[in-house]
Amino acid sequence: RKEVEQDPGPFNVPEGATVAFNCTYSNSASQSFFWYRQDCRKEPKLLMSVYSSGNEDGRFTAQLNRASQYISLLIRDSKLSDSATYLCVSGYSTLTFGKGTMLLVSP
Amino acid sequence: EAGVTQFPSHSVIEKGQTVTLRCDPISGHDNLYWYRRVMGKEIKFLLHFVKESKQDESGMPNNRFLAERTGGTYSTLKVQPAELEDSGVYFCASSQDLRLLGQGQETQYFGPGTRLLVL
Repeated sequence: RKEVEQDPGPFNVPEGATVAFNCTYSNSASQSFFWYRQDCRKEPKLLMSVYSSGNEDGRFTAQLNRASQYISLLIRDSKLSDSATYLCVSGYSTLTFGKGTMLLVSP
Repeated sequence: EAGVTQFPSHSVIEKGQTVTLRCDPISGHDNLYWYRRVMGKEIKFLLHFVKESKQDESGMPNNRFLAERTGGTYSTLKVQPAELEDSGVYFCASSQDLRLLGQGQETQYFGPGTRLLVL
């Protein structure tokens, strides 16, 4: 079983749509979680950290459910520029990545 | 401020040859990490330096891989001899050590990666 599992997608949504990604992790001892964004042939960039209380950054909302060991990312009012691969990541120092979920936002 | 830089951006070599990848972290970052993404797989951790010391090298695949960070600044990752399965994208990341400041969390900033193809 992979440590961090994600639906690879792609998720095809129109501009303005709301889209949600989920991710599960197997290591119950994991303490820190993140969502990274990776554009095609680019490096991963931190989108946001994920806290148990849930956190929001503009159109993006991240949630952590420790009991069920899953993490979610909600994107509201999707923009064309949101098209990318979203990587679910756990770890404090060394990072463990999921394979990523591809999002395609169309006009 | 300059980000993490990596050299070369691409490398195509034949099986059995040697390749050396270089990473320059963000100035002042004590932590330097190497990761690798093999085609079709997730990004995987290789090793972690704190300054010039190897903190964790549990992700290194085998002894054909040698990483160094002399002087605690830039790092090199040498693959010798290269095999076909070493092909992939090698990312370097760096972070400050915020634990000294009581924050306990370090954002890792990634370089653009080196795309290695072994033929």
